Amino acid sequence: GDSVTQTEGLVTVTEGLPVKLNCTYQTTYLTIAFFWYVQYLNEAPQVLLKSSTDNKRTEHQGFHATLHKSSSSFHLQKSSAQLSDSALYYCALSHNTNTGKLTFGDGTVLTVKP
Amino acid sequence: NAGVIQTPRHKVTGKGQEATLWCEPISGHSAVFWYRQTIVQGLEFLTYFRNQAPIDDSGMPKERFSAQMPNQSHSTLKIQSTQPQDSAVYLCASRQQGANTGQLYFGEGSKLTVL
Repeated sequence: GDSVTQTEGLVTVTEGLPVKLNCTYQTTYLTIAFFWYVQYLNEAPQVLLKSSTDNKRTEHQGFHATLHKSSSSFHLQKSSAQLSDSALYYCALSHNTNTGKLTFGDGTVLTVKP
Repeated sequence: NAGVIQTPRHKVTGKGQEATLWCEPISGHSAVFWYRQTIVQGLEFLTYFRNQAPIDDSGMPKERFSAQMPNQSHSTLKIQSTQPQDSAVYLCASRQQGANTGQLYFGEGSKLTVL
């Protein structure tokens, strides 16, 4: 089956510095879509980024990610972290040959310190 | 658009009691998903409905858990004889029809605590 790996459970960064959250995956399907979801405390997970195109950079709210099928990765990056970015981040994938359910990584808690 | 609505937001039950959680998907969305969220396991898929029909329940524990979608505007997740290990946040999500790689829209979840 599909699997998504987020290597860091907790990332702490100082405000204004760059941040990178890692995401790699395993799947046997070719038509796939990737998502980064963000969940703020006591709120619903919401989509931050989506991509299904290899080697194309996707950006939203200052975050960006590029799907690299050659390395099975979809890392999330931001050049300057803000205090308001502190949240739980999930990487997830789906493909259109099944129900389209999302398979999630274990999540990374990002804490941005002043 | 009110988003996905889940009730109750918090539920406390005693061991062995039954818990029923409700979900109202976004109007017009034909796909409804249930996930369970814990610190240890993260987000685990439980079950999926499309046009009210059960399509995939591969994530549902075989005993004590059941889900239904009696109409297009609500789904329920029922846990019988609750156990402390059932304590989690149960998230419902919906998606538009025909968008198998489209994003899921989540509700805020129902936090179940089993004492």
